[in-house]
Amino acid sequence: DIQMTQSPSSLSASVGDRVTITCRASQGISNCLAWFQQKPGKAPKSLIHAASSLQSGVPSRFSGSGSGTDFTLTISCLQPEDFATYYCQEYNTYPLTFGGGTKVEI
Amino acid sequence: EVQLVESGGGLVQPGGSLRLSCAASGFSLSDHYIDWVRQAPGKGLEWVGRSRNKVNSYTTEYAASVKGRFTISRDDSNKSLYLQMKSLKTEDTAVYYCARAVAGPLQGFYYYYYMDVWGKGTAVTVSS
Repeated sequence: DIQMTQSPSSLSASVGDRVTITCRASQGISNCLAWFQQKPGKAPKSLIHAASSLQSGVPSRFSGSGSGTDFTLTISCLQPEDFATYYCQEYNTYPLTFGGGTKVEI
Repeated sequence: EVQLVESGGGLVQPGGSLRLSCAASGFSLSDHYIDWVRQAPGKGLEWVGRSRNKVNSYTTEYAASVKGRFTISRDDSNKSLYLQMKSLKTEDTAVYYCARAVAGPLQGFYYYYYMDVWGKGTAVTVSS
């Protein structure tokens, strides 16, 4: 199974900050990497697929990059509604696997 | 509007069975892959299984932790997908989500499917 390792597991930030979250796959997954945002008590929301393609309706302050084993999610100017937990997920190989999550808090 | 609505969760004893439903609206269920994902209390997301679309004969994939105990099936006429869970364990306690998966661009000979729309989830508690 492919292991997805996210870092950091949590971070503290302020409104307006630039935030970067890293996700590393234990083996190459091409660009088959998605990012999700989840707020407490809510379902995950799709942000990015194919490592860097923004889902429809997602603000442009979110961006993704990477290929192979190393990926990043960047929030360019953190907004109050961005405080949440973020998960990466590979969809190259079964079983599909998620990273452990990164909690972005004030 | 594309929407998925899960139902059927509840309290069940260890060793028991439960069937979850995922009702689809706003798109053709038969044309799409559907995933089940779960989240144990206070934990991260765990993929449970996938049902491919009609073109791919509705074949399925499962996580090792549920293989042989969980079965995904469909009733396209009712626009619904099901997760039949048997021999339930306390560690199956979680919120269960269904999510639509759509194809990315062709890579070599294959399409790879990513989740784009999620339901709100249904809670399952396995406890005596």
